[in-house]
Amino acid sequence: GEEVAQTPKHLVRGEGQKAKLYCAPIKGHSYVFWYQQVLKNEFKFLISFQNENVFDETGMPKERFSAKCLPNSPCSLEIQATKLEDSAVYFCASSQPREINYGYTFGSGTRLTVV
Amino acid sequence: QQQVKQSPQSLIVQKGGISIINCAYENTAFDYFPWYQQFPGKGPALLIAIRPDVSEKKEGRFTISFNKSAKQFSLHIMDSQPGDSATYFCAARLKLVFGTGTRLLVSP
Repeated sequence: GEEVAQTPKHLVRGEGQKAKLYCAPIKGHSYVFWYQQVLKNEFKFLISFQNENVFDETGMPKERFSAKCLPNSPCSLEIQATKLEDSAVYFCASSQPREINYGYTFGSGTRLTVV
Repeated sequence: QQQVKQSPQSLIVQKGGISIINCAYENTAFDYFPWYQQFPGKGPALLIAIRPDVSEKKEGRFTISFNKSAKQFSLHIMDSQPGDSATYFCAARLKLVFGTGTRLLVSP
């Protein structure tokens, strides 16, 4: 499709529980990016993939966060043992290689609330 | 990680006025400078973008001005409308780095 589909739209987890977020990139886009947007609007880069390979994971908190993009499946971002500070909106974006098109297309986000 | 500085944090403009949002960057390797518009509850949507080999780009009421030597770029919204009320983010790519956002309110 022509949109980045993120599910679920809202997710509530108790502290210590696991959270799993999904992202289906636009068909034909080989790059996928995850961003965390916290209350002050700042976007924090988490991780990017080129197809199923991790491209850049410099933003990932290594202890509790993991992500995958497997062939023929939505990409996923998983947070083990969630903490209150993980409450944020998580955005996924996809793009073609920069040689083709520089633009990123964002999904509508998943709002994670940790209580 | 903050390599793109954005100002002002919020802006109130009268209908028909000009909205101006400024950004400054540090990394001279950035090669693409987009502006995103975000409405509450939605993801950022690409509004307009510029490459560093161009000093200005205009699309409808939206114009980007780019000053490579000063490492600054700005968004101008001409004839601002209430429907333009949103949060605007500048960004810079290698890996997309966002500014901190400007909340624009256009009063009727």
